[in-house]
Amino acid sequence: EVQLVETGGGLIQPGGSLRLSCAASGFTVSSYFMTWVRQAPGKGLEWVSVLYGGGSTSYADSVKGRFIISRDDSKNTLYLQLNNLRVEDTAVYFCARGGPGNWDYYFDYWGQGTLVTVSS
Amino acid sequence: QSALTQPASVSGSPGQSITISCTGTSSDIGRYNYVSWYQLHPGKAPKLIIYNVNNRPSGVSDRFSGSKSGNTASLTISGLQAEDEADYSCISFTRSSTWVFGGGTKLTVL
Repeated sequence: EVQLVETGGGLIQPGGSLRLSCAASGFTVSSYFMTWVRQAPGKGLEWVSVLYGGGSTSYADSVKGRFIISRDDSKNTLYLQLNNLRVEDTAVYFCARGGPGNWDYYFDYWGQGTLVTVSS
Repeated sequence: QSALTQPASVSGSPGQSITISCTGTSSDIGRYNYVSWYQLHPGKAPKLIIYNVNNRPSGVSDRFSGSKSGNTASLTISGLQAEDEADYSCISFTRSSTWVFGGGTKLTVL
Protein backbone atom coordinates (compact mmCIF):
# COMPACT_ATOMS: atom_id res chain seq x y z
CA GLU A 1 0.00 0.00 0.00
CA VAL A 2 1.31 3.41 -0.97
CA GLN A 3 1.65 5.80 1.96
CA LEU A 4 3.11 9.27 2.35
CA VAL A 5 3.60 10.80 5.79
CA GLU A 6 4.70 14.41 6.17
CA THR A 7 6.38 15.72 9.31
CA GLY A 8 8.39 18.75 10.35
CA GLY A 9 5.82 21.50 10.38
CA GLY A 10 5.45 23.96 13.20
CA LEU A 11 5.51 27.59 14.26
CA ILE A 12 8.46 29.58 12.98
CA GLN A 13 9.34 33.26 12.95
CA PRO A 14 9.68 35.22 9.72
CA GLY A 15 13.14 34.76 8.27
CA GLY A 16 13.52 31.37 9.89
CA SER A 17 14.12 27.95 8.38
CA LEU A 18 12.38 24.59 8.59
CA ARG A 19 12.82 21.21 6.96
CA LEU A 20 9.80 19.14 6.03
CA SER A 21 10.05 15.40 5.54
CA CYS A 22 7.82 13.05 3.57
CA ALA A 23 8.39 9.40 4.42
CA ALA A 24 7.22 7.08 1.66
CA SER A 25 6.26 3.43 1.84
CA GLY A 26 4.89 0.96 -0.67
CA PHE A 27 7.01 2.31 -3.53
CA THR A 28 10.47 3.68 -4.29
CA VAL A 29 10.66 7.48 -4.26
CA SER A 30 13.49 7.62 -6.77
CA SER A 31 11.37 5.79 -9.36
CA TYR A 32 8.77 8.56 -9.55
CA PHE A 33 8.67 12.30 -9.72
CA MET A 34 7.67 13.73 -6.36
CA THR A 35 6.14 17.06 -5.61
CA TRP A 36 5.22 19.46 -2.81
CA VAL A 37 1.92 21.33 -2.86
CA ARG A 38 0.67 23.77 -0.24
CA GLN A 39 -2.66 25.19 0.84
CA ALA A 40 -2.80 28.47 2.74
CA PRO A 41 -5.68 28.94 5.20
CA GLY A 42 -8.89 29.50 3.28
CA LYS A 43 -7.11 29.35 -0.06
CA GLY A 44 -6.75 26.90 -2.91
CA LEU A 45 -3.91 24.50 -3.56
CA GLU A 46 -0.62 25.91 -4.85
CA TRP A 47 2.09 23.87 -6.53
CA VAL A 48 5.48 24.44 -4.87
CA SER A 49 8.21 22.18 -6.23
CA VAL A 50 9.01 18.96 -8.09
CA LEU A 51 11.90 16.50 -7.99
CA TYR A 52 12.17 14.15 -10.92
CA GLY A 53 13.56 10.64 -10.68
CA GLY A 54 16.71 11.69 -12.52
CA GLY A 55 17.31 14.45 -9.99
CA SER A 56 16.22 17.58 -11.84
CA THR A 57 14.10 20.05 -9.93
CA SER A 58 11.71 22.93 -10.52
CA TYR A 59 10.11 25.52 -8.27
CA ALA A 60 7.20 27.92 -8.25
CA ASP A 61 8.32 31.54 -8.65
CA SER A 62 6.97 32.32 -5.17
CA VAL A 63 9.54 30.03 -3.50
CA LYS A 64 12.41 29.99 -5.99
CA GLY A 65 15.72 30.74 -4.28
CA ARG A 66 14.29 30.08 -0.81
CA PHE A 67 13.07 26.46 -0.85
CA ILE A 68 15.08 23.37 -1.75
CA ILE A 69 13.62 19.99 -2.64
CA SER A 70 15.69 16.85 -2.17
CA ARG A 71 15.45 13.19 -1.30
CA ASP A 72 17.34 10.51 0.58
CA ASP A 73 17.07 7.27 -1.36
CA SER A 74 18.39 5.22 1.56
CA LYS A 75 15.50 6.47 3.69
CA ASN A 76 12.97 6.58 0.84
CA THR A 77 12.14 10.08 2.00
CA LEU A 78 11.47 13.38 0.26
CA TYR A 79 12.41 16.68 1.85
CA LEU A 80 11.61 20.35 1.47
CA GLN A 81 13.99 22.84 3.04
CA LEU A 82 12.20 26.11 3.71
CA ASN A 83 14.52 29.11 4.16
CA ASN A 84 13.91 32.81 4.69
CA LEU A 85 10.29 32.08 5.54
CA ARG A 86 7.62 34.72 5.08
CA VAL A 87 4.20 35.12 6.67
CA GLU A 88 2.65 34.24 3.30
CA ASP A 89 4.34 30.82 3.41
CA THR A 90 1.91 29.81 6.15
CA ALA A 91 0.10 26.76 4.81
CA VAL A 92 -0.46 23.05 5.04
CA TYR A 93 2.26 21.41 2.98
CA PHE A 94 1.45 18.18 1.17
CA CYS A 95 3.80 15.84 -0.57
CA ALA A 96 2.48 13.84 -3.50
CA ARG A 97 3.68 11.16 -5.90
CA GLY A 98 3.71 11.75 -9.62
CA GLY A 99 1.97 9.49 -12.09
CA PRO A 100 3.69 6.28 -13.16
CA GLY A 101 4.35 7.02 -16.82
CA ASN A 102 6.64 9.43 -18.63
CA TRP A 103 3.67 11.56 -19.69
CA ASP A 104 1.63 11.25 -16.51
CA TYR A 105 1.79 14.81 -15.21
CA TYR A 106 -0.58 14.32 -12.29
CA PHE A 107 -0.30 13.34 -8.64
CA ASP A 108 -1.80 9.99 -7.76
CA TYR A 109 -1.05 9.65 -4.02
CA TRP A 110 -0.90 12.37 -1.40
CA GLY A 111 -0.02 12.64 2.24
CA GLN A 112 -2.26 14.28 4.80
CA GLY A 113 -0.05 17.33 5.10
CA THR A 114 1.93 19.18 7.75
CA LEU A 115 1.12 22.70 8.93
CA VAL A 116 3.71 25.45 8.74
CA THR A 117 2.85 28.68 10.53
CA VAL A 118 5.10 31.67 10.00
CA SER A 119 4.42 34.32 12.59
CA SER A 120 6.22 36.58 15.01
CA GLN B 1 1.78 31.73 -13.69
CA SER B 2 -1.81 32.73 -12.86
CA ALA B 3 -4.10 30.27 -11.18
CA LEU B 4 -6.76 28.50 -13.21
CA THR B 5 -10.27 29.90 -12.79
CA GLN B 6 -12.94 27.82 -11.08
CA PRO B 7 -16.32 28.87 -9.68
CA ALA B 8 -16.12 29.36 -5.93
CA SER B 9 -19.13 27.18 -5.31
CA VAL B 10 -21.69 24.94 -6.98
CA SER B 11 -24.63 23.06 -5.55
CA GLY B 12 -27.07 20.37 -6.53
CA SER B 13 -29.64 18.01 -5.11
CA PRO B 14 -29.10 14.29 -4.67
CA GLY B 15 -29.45 12.48 -7.98
CA GLN B 16 -28.78 15.57 -10.07
CA SER B 17 -25.71 16.29 -12.17
CA ILE B 18 -23.35 19.21 -11.76
CA THR B 19 -20.44 20.51 -13.78
CA ILE B 20 -17.43 22.42 -12.50
CA SER B 21 -15.45 24.43 -15.02
CA CYS B 22 -11.74 25.18 -14.94
CA THR B 23 -10.48 27.87 -17.29
CA GLY B 24 -6.85 28.39 -18.16
CA THR B 25 -4.87 29.62 -21.11
CA SER B 26 -3.18 28.39 -24.26
CA SER B 27 -0.05 27.85 -22.14
CA ASP B 28 -1.63 25.24 -19.92
CA ILE B 29 -5.07 23.68 -20.43
CA GLY B 30 -5.19 24.66 -24.09
CA ARG B 31 -1.73 23.29 -24.77
CA TYR B 32 -1.77 19.89 -23.08
CA ASN B 33 -4.15 17.10 -22.15
CA TYR B 34 -2.60 17.05 -18.69
CA VAL B 35 -5.56 18.25 -16.66
CA SER B 36 -6.36 16.41 -13.45
CA TRP B 37 -8.99 16.86 -10.76
CA TYR B 38 -8.79 16.29 -7.01
CA GLN B 39 -11.37 15.90 -4.29
CA LEU B 40 -10.52 17.52 -0.97
CA HIS B 41 -12.03 16.85 2.42
CA PRO B 42 -10.73 18.87 5.40
CA GLY B 43 -7.99 17.08 7.28
CA LYS B 44 -7.66 14.31 4.72
CA ALA B 45 -5.27 13.64 1.88
CA PRO B 46 -6.47 15.02 -1.46
CA LYS B 47 -7.81 12.29 -3.74
CA LEU B 48 -7.17 12.03 -7.48
CA ILE B 49 -10.47 11.54 -9.31
CA ILE B 50 -9.64 12.39 -12.94
CA TYR B 51 -6.31 12.46 -14.77
CA ASN B 52 -5.25 13.40 -18.30
CA VAL B 53 -8.56 15.20 -18.89
CA ASN B 54 -10.94 12.25 -18.87
CA ASN B 55 -9.39 9.20 -17.24
CA ARG B 56 -10.57 7.75 -13.93
CA PRO B 57 -8.19 6.00 -11.56
CA SER B 58 -9.13 2.54 -10.43
CA GLY B 59 -11.70 2.69 -7.67
CA VAL B 60 -13.17 6.07 -8.59
CA SER B 61 -16.89 5.99 -9.33
CA ASP B 62 -17.94 6.27 -12.98
CA ARG B 63 -20.26 9.08 -11.84
CA PHE B 64 -17.18 11.29 -12.19
CA SER B 65 -16.18 12.33 -15.70
CA GLY B 66 -13.93 14.93 -17.27
CA SER B 67 -13.71 16.79 -20.55
CA LYS B 68 -11.93 19.66 -22.22
CA SER B 69 -12.68 22.22 -24.88
CA GLY B 70 -10.10 24.78 -25.82
CA ASN B 71 -8.74 26.44 -22.69
CA THR B 72 -11.49 25.11 -20.42
CA ALA B 73 -11.69 21.76 -18.68
CA SER B 74 -14.77 20.46 -16.91
CA LEU B 75 -15.60 17.95 -14.21
CA THR B 76 -19.07 16.47 -14.22
CA ILE B 77 -20.53 14.54 -11.32
CA SER B 78 -23.73 12.67 -12.14
CA GLY B 79 -26.16 11.11 -9.70
CA LEU B 80 -25.04 13.41 -6.88
CA GLN B 81 -24.66 11.77 -3.50
CA ALA B 82 -24.23 13.32 -0.08
CA GLU B 83 -20.70 11.91 0.12
CA ASP B 84 -19.72 13.99 -2.92
CA GLU B 85 -19.89 17.16 -0.84
CA ALA B 86 -16.30 18.39 -0.82
CA ASP B 87 -13.93 20.85 -2.42
CA TYR B 88 -12.75 20.09 -5.95
CA SER B 89 -9.60 21.43 -7.52
CA CYS B 90 -8.25 21.23 -11.05
CA ILE B 91 -4.60 21.34 -12.06
CA SER B 92 -2.80 21.57 -15.37
CA PHE B 93 0.75 21.04 -16.49
CA THR B 94 2.11 24.17 -18.15
CA ARG B 95 4.39 25.23 -20.98
CA SER B 96 6.95 26.22 -18.34
CA SER B 97 7.09 22.60 -17.13
CA THR B 98 5.40 23.58 -13.89
CA TRP B 99 1.89 23.03 -12.61
CA VAL B 100 -0.92 25.48 -11.97
CA PHE B 101 -3.96 24.84 -9.78
CA GLY B 102 -7.44 26.23 -9.84
CA GLY B 103 -8.70 28.12 -6.82
CA GLY B 104 -11.01 25.29 -5.84
CA THR B 105 -14.78 24.84 -5.94
CA LYS B 106 -16.92 23.97 -2.95
CA LEU B 107 -19.66 21.51 -3.86
CA THR B 108 -22.73 21.53 -1.66
CA VAL B 109 -25.23 18.70 -1.92
CA LEU B 110 -28.57 20.21 -0.92
